[in-house]
Amino acid sequence: QSALTQPASVSGSPGQSITISCTGTSSDVGGYDFVSWYQQHPGKAPKLMIYDVNNRPSGVSDRFSGSKSGNTASLSISGLQAEDEAEYYCCSYTSSYSYVFGTGTKVTVL
Amino acid sequence: QVQLVQSGAEVKKPGASVKVSCKASGYTFINYPIHWVRQAPGQRLEWMAWVNAGNGNTKYSQKFQGRVTITRDTSANTAYMELTSLRSEDTAVYYCAREVSSWIDYWGQGTLVTVSS
Repeated sequence: QSALTQPASVSGSPGQSITISCTGTSSDVGGYDFVSWYQQHPGKAPKLMIYDVNNRPSGVSDRFSGSKSGNTASLSISGLQAEDEAEYYCCSYTSSYSYVFGTGTKVTVL
Repeated sequence: QVQLVQSGAEVKKPGASVKVSCKASGYTFINYPIHWVRQAPGQRLEWMAWVNAGNGNTKYSQKFQGRVTITRDTSANTAYMELTSLRSEDTAVYYCAREVSSWIDYWGQGTLVTVSS
């Protein structure tokens, strides 16, 4: 199972909006609405930000939102803040009853 | 509160095996699958396997099939990940994590496994 494809880096100024893409295939992202997104700060365990494409867990800011079109899922962050600077990973359920993570995107707040 | 507490760091020689434990508390262990995910230094998250904590059924990533075994002890609320035939490329932080429906909501603190001669 190949990793889902994400851009290596995305950057934005405070207050701006950014979007991170996550491209897979019809056997994973495109086949199921089981895409989740995780935020990871250096040296820390990942934190769930979005589940089932576009649902936010309690406690996660509404500045984070998710969507999906075909084989590509997206994570959007509005009103970018310094604390949003981190690595972000998408994850999808697959037709093999397994899971696959994305390649990861480093978000930099300029 | 939900907690997943993993065993401590390990240093192993190439060719050896390692077994990492993950003790769960704060919820009914058998009701939630446990996943294992690893992260090599400076690299991405990599999904390895999951176990149905209730019936013990497992699913492994093709990449690790034959080298990894996931087990659980329901009496101890603990899951285990054993990786054999270790090589330097297996040096990584290994995480256990709890699945809810189709996503991971809680993660262990991670266990660093270093493979070096």
